[in-house]
Amino acid sequence: ELKVEQNPLFLSMQEGKNYTIYCNYSTTSDRLYWYRQDPGKSLESLFVLLSNGAVKQEGRLMASLDTKARLSTLHITAAVHDLSATYFCAVVQSGYALNFGKGTSLLVTP
Amino acid sequence: GAVVSQHPSRVICKSGTSVKIECRSLDFQATTMFWYRQFPKQSLMLMATSNEGSKATYEQGVEKDKFLINHASLTLSTLTVTSAHPEDSSFYICSARARLTTTTDTQYFGPGTRLTVL
Repeated sequence: ELKVEQNPLFLSMQEGKNYTIYCNYSTTSDRLYWYRQDPGKSLESLFVLLSNGAVKQEGRLMASLDTKARLSTLHITAAVHDLSATYFCAVVQSGYALNFGKGTSLLVTP
Repeated sequence: GAVVSQHPSRVICKSGTSVKIECRSLDFQATTMFWYRQFPKQSLMLMATSNEGSKATYEQGVEKDKFLINHASLTLSTLTVTSAHPEDSSFYICSARARLTTTTDTQYFGPGTRLTVL
């Protein structure tokens, strides 16, 4: 059974600080996704990581993938309040469906 | 990017009634659509995989007679919650699988439907 674990589950950080969210998964998968969810809203796609060593950046967010370690990271640089949201990583399971981590609830404070 | 719509966005119904939720891919054809359920402050849990023209595949613990899924065309899948009860109250999100290249694909998520059963 594919398991996806995120940590931390809750994160409160000050504006301007850096932090990393970790996503571990239990079985081999050829792609990993990061999504953002605002309260009451659906998912917004952030990154799709397709290969070992893949690194993608968009604004203050950077995602990487290490398939050998079965680990992905989402790094936040110089956080701003607008980044407050819940972030999910997800791994493809059989049949192309996604298996989600529990999510990291991020709060950026002044 | 590709757009997936859901209708209705919010529905309140009485216990014992049935509710139909539509999921449409607006500018692409989706051979596969997925239905997820999300309880407050929890993650998304896959309910079923819906393939056009065939029966849906349900995850363990999801009652197929209660959650009826129909994928009648390449752009439309419907989820009907039959004889809804308060414990069915949740946020239902669909996604549609789209090909990016010949070897990779991604999923686009609908805006979700919040179901409240009184």
